[in-house]
Amino acid sequence: QSALTQPASVSGSPGQSITISCTGTSSDVGGYNYVSWYQQHPGKAPQLMIYDVTNRPSGVSNRFSGSKSGNTASLTISGLQAEDEADYYCSSYTSSSTLGVFGTGTKVTVL
Amino acid sequence: EVQLVESGGGLVQPGGSLRLSCAASGFIVSTNYMSWVRQAPGKGLECVSVLYSGGTTYYADSVKDRFTISRDNSKNTLYLQMNSLRVEDTAVYYCARDLLIRGVTSATFDSWGQGTLVTVSS
Repeated sequence: QSALTQPASVSGSPGQSITISCTGTSSDVGGYNYVSWYQQHPGKAPQLMIYDVTNRPSGVSNRFSGSKSGNTASLTISGLQAEDEADYYCSSYTSSSTLGVFGTGTKVTVL
Repeated sequence: EVQLVESGGGLVQPGGSLRLSCAASGFIVSTNYMSWVRQAPGKGLECVSVLYSGGTTYYADSVKDRFTISRDNSKNTLYLQMNSLRVEDTAVYYCARDLLIRGVTSATFDSWGQGTLVTVSS
């Protein structure tokens, strides 16, 4: 199962909004509403930020939002803050495997 | 409070074995879907194995027939037995809990351990 495709890096200034894309196929992102997003700071475990495309777990800031169109899911971070600088990964259920699949990862830089 | 604590990582020669442990607290391992996820140095995340609450197990092709996932209900602990280790198995290994139980794993993990580093090198 190939990894979902994400841009290697995205940057923005404090207060701006950025969007990270996650492109798959109809066997994963496009076929099911089981897309999640994770934030990972260096040396730390990933943290779930969005699940089932648009849902935020308790405690996650509402500056983080998710959406999906066709085979591409997106994570938008609004009001960018210095603490948002981290790696972000998408994941999805896939009918092509018995395990879930992650994206290639995106490094977010706050300028 | 939900907590996962991994242990058992270390340096091992190619062809060797290690057993990773993941001690859980705040919830019952056997009633959840539990997974091992690894991350090679400087690389992305990869699902390695899942153990469903009903006992079904699945593995990534890269570890099939070499790794075995299991649990000890009396200890509320998840394990990953890793045999015939290869250099490419070098990674931080995380245990993680699926947020929802819905018949399949969708890599929706709401709880993660701190990770344990496995280094395979001669």
